[in-house]
Amino acid sequence: DGGITQSPKYLFRKEGQNVTLSCEQNLNHDAMYWYRQDPGQGLRLIYYSQIVNDFQKGDIAEGYSVSREKKESFPLTVTSAQKNPTAFYLCASSLGQGAYTQYFGPGTRLTVL
Amino acid sequence: DAKTTQPPSMDCAEGRAANLPCNHSTISGNEYVYWYRQIHSQGPQYIIHGLKNNETNEMASLIITEDRKSSTLILPHATLRDTAVYYCIVRVVGIQGAQKLVFGQGTRLTINP
Repeated sequence: DGGITQSPKYLFRKEGQNVTLSCEQNLNHDAMYWYRQDPGQGLRLIYYSQIVNDFQKGDIAEGYSVSREKKESFPLTVTSAQKNPTAFYLCASSLGQGAYTQYFGPGTRLTVL
Repeated sequence: DAKTTQPPSMDCAEGRAANLPCNHSTISGNEYVYWYRQIHSQGPQYIIHGLKNNETNEMASLIITEDRKSSTLILPHATLRDTAVYYCIVRVVGIQGAQKLVFGQGTRLTINP
């Protein structure tokens, strides 16, 4: 099946620890995105990547880092500098630049204790 | 960024048509209107998008007014599985051509038996 996978579904970490969230897609999409969603709110863009080895900050990049070494993978690291890391994290991908639809993964719910 | 306004909640009877309105009075000429929905604790699901003309697919119809300042998503025969939060989004082309979806708080649609 083609699609976007995120793992794990639920993640718990202690305060002060870095944690990396996985996002993989086999849709052959060039562009990938990370969003954050807080309870009762819409999604906010953290980082996006239009092509391998390139990425740009979104609206709320502080305290996060990403890499794009492979077309299929776009991992997100939540660092200890992120003040409120507990949230629902969503990864998306699209065919590329232009009017291309974004398709979302199932999400990872991160809880920092 | 163009902003959208949606009612916070709506109810619809099962089997009836659900009509979800959206205002996007500041939309510019090259910005598309996208609709997604999100069932609790899942990733958003793409429904439909359009620029000027009305659109229809297997899930829904999208009616865009002639002045493009508002649109309506129509689910022709709502089922209980259509209960979700529905987001009306204006695609925004950001820096270097990368698209950015600006999510609001959406409309919580409840389908009643």
